[in-house]
Amino acid sequence: QSALTQPRSVSGSPGQSVTISCTGTSSNVGAYNYVSWYQQHPGKAPKLMLYDVTKRPSGVPDRFSGSKSGNTASLTISGLQAEDEADYYCCSYAGSYTSWVFGGGTKLTVL
Amino acid sequence: QITLKESGPTLVKPTQTLTLTCTFSGFSLTTSGVSVGWIRQPPGKALEWLAFIYWDDDKRYIPSLKRRLTITKDTSKNLVVLTMTNMDPVDSATYYCASIVGATSFDYWGPGFLVTVSS
Repeated sequence: QSALTQPRSVSGSPGQSVTISCTGTSSNVGAYNYVSWYQQHPGKAPKLMLYDVTKRPSGVPDRFSGSKSGNTASLTISGLQAEDEADYYCCSYAGSYTSWVFGGGTKLTVL
Repeated sequence: QITLKESGPTLVKPTQTLTLTCTFSGFSLTTSGVSVGWIRQPPGKALEWLAFIYWDDDKRYIPSLKRRLTITKDTSKNLVVLTMTNMDPVDSATYYCASIVGATSFDYWGPGFLVTVSS
């Protein structure tokens, strides 16, 4: 069982927006603004999409945005495109002992 | 251009020790703030962070596996090595090497390396 809880699946039609939640605790998500999100297509390595809750690495479209409230972080994808269909994982820093924890992953289906 | 690549044995027997090597280019592990480490993913399952080594040789391990893991670096050869002792079939997974260079999370990843534990 993963330390961070994500919905198993979400879906949306092209052009719509979807939000994926990531619920942790006051020891990880709630304690640090070091939440990141990864996109993983089948058979591929994960790709960093957001870090520090809201920051986008160079090359990531601004359709991807992040937020955090308390112990829950969220990834929102607006203007869904077919290529957004993938698994998404959240990750949070959890202090110097535990360091990093991942969510269980969410499968995004573009209908 | 930053690249990372994992290498090692694809098949190990139960109780054996796994040694994985991450060879990287495009950055230096002597630069302040940079780190390299390992994340694994069993087939069909979620990502699990294992271990990281920082530019100053600080090391971090997942608490549940700490006794079995050792991470080291060779900055002259641009490589990081992970050893995991007492391998078990549940350790079968794709092992990824990843770095923290320009962000505060894993911004570059290797393609992954599938390790199967079986007798």
